[in-house]
Amino acid sequence: AQKVTQAQTEISVVEKEDVTLDCVYETRDTTYYLFWYKQPPSGELVFLIRRNSFDEQNEISGRYSWNFQKSTSSFNFTITASQVVDSAVYFCALSEADNTDKLIFGTGTRLQVFP
Amino acid sequence: NAGVTQTPKFQVLKTGQSMTLQCAQDMNHEYMSWYRQDPGMGLRLIHYSVGAGITDQGEVPNGYNVSRSTTEDFPLRLLSAAPSQTSVYFCASNIGRNPTSTDTQYFGPGTRLTVL
Repeated sequence: AQKVTQAQTEISVVEKEDVTLDCVYETRDTTYYLFWYKQPPSGELVFLIRRNSFDEQNEISGRYSWNFQKSTSSFNFTITASQVVDSAVYFCALSEADNTDKLIFGTGTRLQVFP
Repeated sequence: NAGVTQTPKFQVLKTGQSMTLQCAQDMNHEYMSWYRQDPGMGLRLIHYSVGAGITDQGEVPNGYNVSRSTTEDFPLRLLSAAPSQTSVYFCASNIGRNPTSTDTQYFGPGTRLTVL
């Protein structure tokens, strides 16, 4: 069975601090996809990244970076120099390679960035 | 492109009432899905469709019906609303089943439903 665990329910940091959001997944598939979504207070879901299981390269996009490690079944998300606008709930999700329309979500991590 | 649109944004129902949550997308996506979001539980898949005329159940389908008569629309019906269906409902669409593409799911803005 597939499962995504986000053990951190809520994280609070002060602006400019770096913060890492953890994501651990379980799947029996050898090919799968991992995602991160951001849900700001306004409620919409914003796609951040999609990574397939064949690509373990870390990815950086501005202040965001992702560390994918198959050996530990983790796909962690780091925000460098956090800003108040980063305050949101962040979801990690998993899908089978041939079934990308079915996402299994973690329970989310609420990040609060204080000025 | 409007992307994925959902109506209404908010709805209050009484127990036993029925209603339809509307979802439409103008990206010619094959795949559409409905999720519900409850506090502390993330999003869970209710029903999904891989194309017009084809639907299937997700993780929590009970109490909901769907149909997909066109590529653009994927309505979600609550047959007899219950307080347990109080939730935020998200519709999503996906270009299709192509693992080599950069397809991803695009979500609508959500519908906040309260059942009294």
